[in-house]
Amino acid sequence: GAGVSQTPSNKVTEKGKYVELRCDPISGHTALYWYRQSLGQGPEFLIYFQGTGAADDSGLPNDRFFAVRPEGSVSTLKIQRTERGDSAVYLCASSPRVGESTEAFFGQGTRLTVV
Amino acid sequence: AQRVTQPEKLLSVFKGAPVELKCNYSYSGSPELFWYVQYSRQRLQLLLRHISRESIKGFTADLNKGETSFHLKKPFAQEEDSAMYYCALYTGGFKTIFGAGTRLFVKA
Repeated sequence: GAGVSQTPSNKVTEKGKYVELRCDPISGHTALYWYRQSLGQGPEFLIYFQGTGAADDSGLPNDRFFAVRPEGSVSTLKIQRTERGDSAVYLCASSPRVGESTEAFFGQGTRLTVV
Repeated sequence: AQRVTQPEKLLSVFKGAPVELKCNYSYSGSPELFWYVQYSRQRLQLLLRHISRESIKGFTADLNKGETSFHLKKPFAQEEDSAMYYCALYTGGFKTIFGAGTRLFVKA
């Protein structure tokens, strides 16, 4: 595709429900990142994938958050028992190389609203 | 602690005026710094990185290790420069730390 694609663009869910957010990175990019952006803040790192494995998940706020990338391409961020504080824009980014200070290409984000 | 600070949430200048968006960082290692920009209704995108020492859209940024700063500058602001600007620090451990952002508004 032309760029990083995230679906859905908007998601409204009730407190306590389970949600999945999808990220389709640029073809061939080995590195994939998830960020969360709350209102008035910059993107906050959640998790990083190198291929299929999560190389760094230190940014996940708690065990309600989980992400997978089973075939090294598409990734899904999963949030269980959603809380109102989870409301934010969730950004996905990919980059072509691992372990270098290289440009990250961002998706448009998924705006999650927990009511 | 690793941290990026952008002290101004909003910066408003007139068209043609110089602009400087401030960024300070805290990092014990050798920093790799970036500026990202987000125009209205567009995705976040890289503007420039300090290792390239390049000028993009008239913007430049110099890394000052003594002052731990990476301020973004442009001598003559244009209306199309109005956007959110984020300073970012790559720590070498797969993680990029972003500042809270500065909204630049260029008035006609």
